[in-house]
Amino acid sequence: GEDVEQSLFLSVREGDSSVINCTYTDSSSTYLYWYKQEPGAGLQLLTYIFSNMDMKQDQRLTVLLNKKDKHLSLRIADTQTGDSAIYFCAESDRNAGNMLTFGGGTRLMVKP
Amino acid sequence: EPEVTQTPSHQVTQMGQEVILRCVPISNHLYFYWYRQILGQKVEFLVSFYNNEISEKSEIFDDQFSVERPDGSNFTLKIRSTKLEDSAMYFCASKERTGEGSWQFFGPGTRLTVL
Repeated sequence: GEDVEQSLFLSVREGDSSVINCTYTDSSSTYLYWYKQEPGAGLQLLTYIFSNMDMKQDQRLTVLLNKKDKHLSLRIADTQTGDSAIYFCAESDRNAGNMLTFGGGTRLMVKP
Repeated sequence: EPEVTQTPSHQVTQMGQEVILRCVPISNHLYFYWYRQILGQKVEFLVSFYNNEISEKSEIFDDQFSVERPDGSNFTLKIRSTKLEDSAMYFCASKERTGEGSWQFFGPGTRLTVL
């Protein structure tokens, strides 16, 4: 079945850029998403990218998609302590009813 | 801003008991989902629901599980006879429509502990 993988942990200093990486196996992925989970909270959609795009920018967030290598990344510019959270990569396949397949999440720690 | 709500936030139950987890999706949304996350593991899809019927379910969603939209606002997940391995965080999600520009909004989750 489909699989989505992420590294477990990333630590950066406040003001630096963070890059969180994700790889996926489903070649028929239609959309790829980044969700953020803060302690005790649900999954908040940060951004998404359609599979025919290779980049999307939204304020401090930049998503890069390499469809050939099935690699997705999320760059957070000027990382703040409030960005500390778990970031989940997810993909959906139009042919699979739009259910989401999630990676294991990357815990981002931002040090002041 | 509209949001998905879930109750209770934490449910403790004895093995073999029935539990009902409740969700109130965003009011104009048509597609509903349940996911679960066992501690330390990935968020896993359980079931999707549209037009008053299950549209898709995973292997996890066996005969012990059922979903219902009893009154047009609530969306429930019932586990008939809970097992220890059902202990997890259960997330409800809803989506307005299918296609581009519509994505799943998640609730804060219900932590289920089976003793």
